[in-house]
Amino acid sequence: AQTIHQWPVAEIKAVGSPLSLGCTIKGKSSPNLYWYWQATGGTLQQLFYSITVGQVESVVQLNLSASRPKDDQFILSTEKLLLSHSGFYLCAWSLDWGTSAETLYFGSGTRLTVL
Amino acid sequence: GDSVTQTEGLVTLTKGLPVMLNCTYQTTYSPFLFWYVQHLNEAPKLLLKSSTDNKRTEHQGFYATLHKSSSSFHLQKSSVQLSDSALYFCALNSGTYQRFGTGTKLQVVP
Repeated sequence: AQTIHQWPVAEIKAVGSPLSLGCTIKGKSSPNLYWYWQATGGTLQQLFYSITVGQVESVVQLNLSASRPKDDQFILSTEKLLLSHSGFYLCAWSLDWGTSAETLYFGSGTRLTVL
Repeated sequence: GDSVTQTEGLVTLTKGLPVMLNCTYQTTYSPFLFWYVQHLNEAPKLLLKSSTDNKRTEHQGFYATLHKSSSSFHLQKSSVQLSDSALYFCALNSGTYQRFGTGTKLQVVP
């Protein structure tokens, strides 16, 4: 069975401080990986996607970056947090990138509060 | 451009009543629509999906029918339960990008 693990579960950080969030997928080789951001009670905004190791595509510019150092790992980071970065960060995976039937499977998320 | 519209932000219902959550879309692609459900402090999970015109899709008591003629994919349930309280997202596969609606919060009260 596939598992997706996100870390940390929650973070409280100061404006201007760095951030690193992680996501690991087990039980699937070469998954498509995504980062989504959700404001409290808001919609899901795709931030990045990656279909292979070392390659990451940005969907929106939010002063964040992402990397895929291993097949099963996806990292979201920034050197300087802004207040607007607060929210719920979700990692997701799929197998059918680019197909209309693609279903997303989400991790449990990281709740980020920037003060 | 492609879009997904959910008109209700909050729906409050008494347990046992029927519900319909609206979803309409615009796309230049052949549509594939999804409903995801997100319970409080949890990750969104797929509820159901469809690309077949005029065919009812069901899961866990919820059902939806894709109507291409009206560009709609409304979510329905005949009798809501307290455990159905959650945030419901309609989503559209738009080429390589899954586009989500703004979500509808369903609140079921005793």
